[in-house]
Amino acid sequence: AQKITQTQPGMFVQEKEAVTLDCTYDTSDPSYGLFWYKQPSSGEMIFLIYQGSYDQQNATEGRYSLNFQKARKSANLVISASQLGDSAMYFCAMREHQAGTALIFGKGTTLSVSS
Amino acid sequence: NAGVTQTPKFQVLKTGQSMTLQCAQDMNHEYMSWYRQDPGMGLRLIHYSVGAGITDQGEVPNGYNVSRSTTEDFPLRLLSAAPSQTSVYFCASSYNGAGRANVLTFGAGSRLTVL
Repeated sequence: AQKITQTQPGMFVQEKEAVTLDCTYDTSDPSYGLFWYKQPSSGEMIFLIYQGSYDQQNATEGRYSLNFQKARKSANLVISASQLGDSAMYFCAMREHQAGTALIFGKGTTLSVSS
Repeated sequence: NAGVTQTPKFQVLKTGQSMTLQCAQDMNHEYMSWYRQDPGMGLRLIHYSVGAGITDQGEVPNGYNVSRSTTEDFPLRLLSAAPSQTSVYFCASSYNGAGRANVLTFGAGSRLTVL
């Protein structure tokens, strides 16, 4: 069964610094996708970045990059040059590609950015 | 495009009452799902569907019913509300392929309080 683990309940970073949010996963399916979502205090869920298990390169989307280490089963989110607006809850998620499976989430990490 | 529409946004129930949270999407997504979000618990999957007529249980299905008679609609029924079902509920949908097709589009959420 697939499983997602986020071990950092809270992280603190200063503006303009980089921060890494950890995510490990477990699956027996060789084909799967990994996702990161952001949830600001307003409550909506915002998709940030996607990484496929067969992708050769780490995904990047603007200031977001995904440090994908397949052998370690980790998919850490790196936010470069943090901004005050990055303060939010961040969720890692995974979905196996075999038919009939669901997308599951980790428990999330709260990121606080200070000036 | 409306995306994913959830109703109601807020609801207060008494213990034992039943109700239905509505979810509709207009993107022709095959995959639809319901999550509940509680502090410190992340998003936990209640039920999901990979197509009309097909539903399956997630991590926390007890006390909830779903059906998927059309591609567009995926209502969540609380059979006999309990205070433990006080939560924020999210409906989300996506295509059912591999890769970025699995990126979920979320509804705005429904805040349910059971007294």
